[in-house]
Amino acid sequence: GAVVSQHPSWVICKSGTSVKIECRSLDFQATTMFWYRQFPKQSLMLMATSNEGSKATYEQGVEKDKFLINHASLTLSTLTVTSAHPEDSSFYICSARGRTKGSGGNQPQHFGDGTRLSIL
Amino acid sequence: GQSLEQPSEVTAVEGAIVQINCTYQTSGFYGLSWYQQHDGGAPTFLSYNGLDGLEETGRFSSFLSRSDSYGYLLLQELQMKDSASYFCAVYNQGGKLIFGQGTELSVKP
Repeated sequence: GAVVSQHPSWVICKSGTSVKIECRSLDFQATTMFWYRQFPKQSLMLMATSNEGSKATYEQGVEKDKFLINHASLTLSTLTVTSAHPEDSSFYICSARGRTKGSGGNQPQHFGDGTRLSIL
Repeated sequence: GQSLEQPSEVTAVEGAIVQINCTYQTSGFYGLSWYQQHDGGAPTFLSYNGLDGLEETGRFSSFLSRSDSYGYLLLQELQMKDSASYFCAVYNQGGKLIFGQGTELSVKP
């Protein structure tokens, strides 16, 4: 089945540091990648959507200058949390979707294993 | 906008059957999905309903009624390992997958 690899799985760093998270689709071309954030005991909140070769679309309330997203190829997207602060500590999860076949429905989204970010 | 409602928690015993309901409101509907998430892990895909009716995958089944904006996940022959959070999610018109708040299922011996 489709595999999405996300690295690193765990990051602990000092306040003010920038952190880059990578998301790779290993056996399919991910035309669209999604970045979610999840706080403990809460749902996954969509942060942004990125299509290969174009700028990411951010959800309302998500600072695009703080969460930089790059989707340079069909297999790689990166999320950089710039100047991270303790309130940015969360579980970040990427998801990838391949090309949609036909006119109906959506390809399933495949999720990475997530990155647990702790800012001290 | 879109919203999904599902119970916050459900408790059942091993071997039992449990149904987790989900009602949704969305502008444009392109299918209802279910995901399982264990503590500390990422969501794993369980099922997708694009059309009305029942989809069965082993012990898990999912149902959709588009006219009622309603679906459910049915888990049969519950096992301890089924204790997890279960999320319903809908695709909206923009092709984005939006998640419900999740149902925490506790399976007791």
